[in-house]
Amino acid sequence: GAGVSQSPSNKVTEKGKDVELRCDPISGHTALYWYRQRLGQGLEFLIYFQGNSAPDKSGLPSDRFSAERTGESVSTLTIQRTQQEDSAVYLCASSLFVAGGQDTDTQYFGPGTRLTVL
Amino acid sequence: DQQVKQNSPSLSVQEGRISILNCDYTNSMFDYFLWYKKYPAEGPTFLISISSIKDKNEDGRFTVFLNKSAKHLSLHIVPSQPGDSAVYFCAARSRGGSNYKLTFGKGTLLTVNP
Repeated sequence: GAGVSQSPSNKVTEKGKDVELRCDPISGHTALYWYRQRLGQGLEFLIYFQGNSAPDKSGLPSDRFSAERTGESVSTLTIQRTQQEDSAVYLCASSLFVAGGQDTDTQYFGPGTRLTVL
Repeated sequence: DQQVKQNSPSLSVQEGRISILNCDYTNSMFDYFLWYKKYPAEGPTFLISISSIKDKNEDGRFTVFLNKSAKHLSLHIVPSQPGDSAVYFCAARSRGGSNYKLTFGKGTLLTVNP
C-alpha cells in the first residue's frame, strides 16, 4: 500500500514569508507526528496527533509554528514569518496506534520536505 | 541536553565484515529503543527495536544489544553489504504519558565498501 507522502519535496522561501507543508499519512493510521531535522542533527519532535484527542504541541519551537489535522487524514504544518533558522527537513510520520512497545507503534516516515529560508 | 548520543558520525567497513553502531542514552525513563535507517532523500525506515526487559533482539543480519546498566545499546550488522550504506539513527521512547515521543540521536553514516 501507499506510504506516507509529503509535499512539496523542496521549498525555498524568503525570510518573513509563510509556508505550508502537507502530509498524507498511511490510510488507517490514527497517529501522526511531525519532526524536524536540522543539518547535522537528529530528528526533533514537533507535534503529535492521535484520533480526536487534543494534539501534543509541546515540541513546537515558537508560536510561529502551527499544525492542523483533518480527522484521521491529511495534516498541514504552517510556519509563519519564516526565519533562516527554520531551514531544515520537516518529516511527517504515522503509526497505527499508540501503545508501549508494540510493533504497531512503529512510526512510518515520509520522505520529508526540505525547507530553505533565504 | 542530548539524551540520545551517537558519538561516531561515520563508520566505514569492508563488505562481509561486521558493522557495529553504538548509541548511549542518559534518560533512565527510556524503556524502548529503536534503530532507523535513512537513505538520502528518503524518510527514515524502521529497522529493529528492543524493549528494556530484553538485552538482545535479532532479526536476520541485524542484532541489537542493550546494556541497561551502562545505558548503552549497539546495532550489529553481520555480514555487512554495500546496500547497508546509509545513515543509522538510534531512537528511544520513555514509559509514561508521552510514550509516543521518540528522541533521536544525530545519526551515524555507515559506508560499506565492496
